[in-house]
Amino acid sequence: DQQVKQNSPSLSVQEGRISILNCDYTNSMFDYFLWYKKYPAEGPTFLISISSIKDKNEDGRFTVFLNKSAKHLSLHIVPSQPGDSAVYFCAASAKAAGNKLTFGGGTRVLVKP
Amino acid sequence: EPEVTQTPSHQVTQMGQEVILRCVPISNHLYFYWYRQILGQKVEFLVSFYNNEISEKSEIFDDQFSVERPDGSNFTLKIRSTKLEDSAMYFCASSVRVNTGELFFGEGSRLTVL
Repeated sequence: DQQVKQNSPSLSVQEGRISILNCDYTNSMFDYFLWYKKYPAEGPTFLISISSIKDKNEDGRFTVFLNKSAKHLSLHIVPSQPGDSAVYFCAASAKAAGNKLTFGGGTRVLVKP
Repeated sequence: EPEVTQTPSHQVTQMGQEVILRCVPISNHLYFYWYRQILGQKVEFLVSFYNNEISEKSEIFDDQFSVERPDGSNFTLKIRSTKLEDSAMYFCASSVRVNTGELFFGEGSRLTVL
């Protein structure tokens, strides 16, 4: 299932710098997009979301950008902190499918002190 | 902070055996889900459950799988006759609302089928 794709399996960034995670999707029925964060031995934790009627949503250090025409979204974390080291999953859902989420493969972020 | 709890954290079983994975969703949540992640693969949707019935299921969720909410707190996933390819991390999740995608996940139950 390649409907949601995260092309970068890993990302290394210096503490204090910006982390940019990217995600592409193919299904134009998707109308809600989310980022989840996952630490080892834990379940995914909701981080931030964006509806398809918006192009930006900000929550503290986290901002999600949506480019519908390109079917692309990105997550910006600034400034990055060591505690942000985790796997980040992009996910998408379609209103007609309730909360059935389609996940990307994840990007492992390592924030170096 | 309320959380979704899952038991067991790890279960090892022989192929062909029945397995029941248990979950206690957050108490005021109305929607319940099972997802799984096979090692090295994506997190995949299995089933959603609302008002004591399945609201949606994936093609993975065949006749070998069933879900139940036997009482007011537990939500279970049963695999009747496990196969090697059922080995995965199984995540239970719950949500207050539908159509927002904001799910609260448990820590997962690792199933190993030998």
